[in-house]
Order: sequence, then structure tokens, then C-alpha cells
Amino acid sequence: DVKVTQSSRYLVKRTGEKVFLECVQDMDHENMFWYRQDPGLGLRLIYFSYDVKMKEKGDIPEGYSVSREKKERFSLILESASTNQTSMYLCASSWGITGANVLTFGAGSRLTVL
Amino acid sequence: SQQGEEDPQALSIQEGENATMNCSYKTSINNLQWYRQNSGRGLVHLILIRSNEREKHSGRLRVTLDTSKKSSSLLITASRAADTASYFCATAPQGGSEKLVFGKGTKLTVNP
Repeated sequence: DVKVTQSSRYLVKRTGEKVFLECVQDMDHENMFWYRQDPGLGLRLIYFSYDVKMKEKGDIPEGYSVSREKKERFSLILESASTNQTSMYLCASSWGITGANVLTFGAGSRLTVL
Repeated sequence: SQQGEEDPQALSIQEGENATMNCSYKTSINNLQWYRQNSGRGLVHLILIRSNEREKHSGRLRVTLDTSKKSSSLLITASRAADTASYFCATAPQGGSEKLVFGKGTKLTVNP
């Protein structure tokens, strides 16, 4: 079974803190994605990566950055957390050269920014 | 950018009944996928239907796709309390970046 592991299920941070959300997949998938999920807004794509050291902006990249130094690991960084970044963050991965393939999701990281 | 729109937003049924959820989308697609999410957890892929397919089955799930109407439906037959979850459709638009675009989901409650 493909496994996508997100390092923290629940985090509580203060406004202005730097936050790292880590995601690791164990099936050699080329593509990795970060989404955020908010009530009434569904899933929105923040960033994605098709290969090591490559990244592309999704629909809502403002306030976020990402890092992919190794194929299996994709990190989401909030440089200076704000209360409007309180959300559920979902990491996903998929194989292949297109982003249209089946996604395997992690369990999610619920971030609260106070 | 939201492409898929699920309907209804919420659905409550009794165990043993069938549940039907619909998804409409706006642009031409390569494929359409359905995912399930249990409360507070990640999404799990259920089924993928390609643009040249009209119907697909997987266990108690039946998915239809009507590309002329730009719509899909997910039918869960003989529902169980364990089917209680949110269900999302995701479309892979043709051309462009081909990234999946998710709808806002249908929250299904199956009462024992």
C-alpha cells in the first residue's frame, strides 16, 4: 500500500511563528501536492511538485513556500503564520507525468494559529 | 479554481437505502474521480472514470459520466452506517496543467 505520512496531526502555533509541515511518501511517486481544506471552500491547491527541486504554484500560494530536496519528501513552510492560515492541510502524492492521476492522501495536519 | 460542484451538499438516509450524489463541472475533462473523506481524516480514492467511459462499477459503487451534460453521479447501494463520510468529485481538465480540481463535497449520513 502506498503510504503518505504527515509528520504532525495537530499543531498549535502563534502568529508570526515559522511553521514547517512535513510530508513523506514511500512509493517513489513523482508528484506531490499540498492542499488546504476549509469548511465551505473545499480543497484548494497551494503548491505542487513534479520532481525533486521543482515546484509550481497552485491556486493559493500566497503566504506559503515549499521545499522538495528529496523525491520522497515535500515540505510546506509558513514563513510567518497568520490566523487566516488556521486550517486542515492535506499532502498527497501520485505517480506519472501528469497531475491528473489518482492521488494518495496523508491523514492531514490540523493547524491552529493563535 | 473550483470546477466540480457536488449536489446535494448534505444527504441523510437510513441504512439499506441507496445514496446518490451528483457532480457537475464546467470544462472538458480527461477523467473524473470520486474520493471519500471520513471526519477529520485524509481523502481516499474510490473510483476513476475516463472521459470515454459512461459507467463504472466497484463493489457497491456505481459511477456514471455524461460528458454532454458535464455531469457525473455516484451511487452507493445498500448503504451502511460505515459509509457515513464526505464524498468529493475531482476533475482532471483537458489541456493546461491537468491538475485535479476538487468540488466542495457531499456530506452523507447513514443512520443505523
